[in-house]
Amino acid sequence: EAQVTQNPRYLITVTGKKLTVTCSQNMNHEYMSWYRQDPGLGLRQIYYSMNVEVTDKGDVPEGYKVSRKEKRNFPLILESPSPNQTSLYFCASSFSRANTEAFFGQGTRLTVV
Amino acid sequence: KQEVTQIPAALSVPEGENLVLNCSFTDSAIYNLQWFRQDPGKGLTSLLLIQSSQREQTSGRLNASLDKSSGRSTLYIAASQPGDSATYLCAPLNQAGTALIFGKGTTLSVSS
Repeated sequence: EAQVTQNPRYLITVTGKKLTVTCSQNMNHEYMSWYRQDPGLGLRQIYYSMNVEVTDKGDVPEGYKVSRKEKRNFPLILESPSPNQTSLYFCASSFSRANTEAFFGQGTRLTVV
Repeated sequence: KQEVTQIPAALSVPEGENLVLNCSFTDSAIYNLQWFRQDPGKGLTSLLLIQSSQREQTSGRLNASLDKSSGRSTLYIAASQPGDSATYLCAPLNQAGTALIFGKGTTLSVSS
């Protein structure tokens, strides 16, 4: 089944403890991105990647890192999480950056205390 | 900077009604526009993708239209059912082709 898989689905952590949220797609998509969803603000893009070893900042990149060492994987790294990073995170992928359908993962609900 | 507005923010209808969800965007230079459905606690499910050169796209009881020049898209749902209850999100792909810009959504409730 074609899908985007995120792990974990739920995570509670403490301020400053490094964490990684994984994202994997099995559709051989070139383009992947991360979004966060907050009440009243909607979904906003954090980072995107157009292919292996090619990443760039979205609208809200502060406090996040990403890497794209393999085509299928695009992990989101929080080196020193803070409470303002408490949010619902989504990974998305598409075959190329334009004119194709975007597929989203099931989301990761992160709480930083 | 692209801004996306969805009206109404919430909508409650009885089963069987036909309804229209509206989406407007400020920058008409878009690559495509996608409509999504989001159920509580779940991810986004793609409903329809309209290319910038298209005016309309249909899937089952859903029909989406796009008027790029006026910065508008509508999602028409025919014969609504309780299972249609969800939040519907409109997202044009930005001018650079690198990010979907989301509206805040329309939360639909269909009662039986």
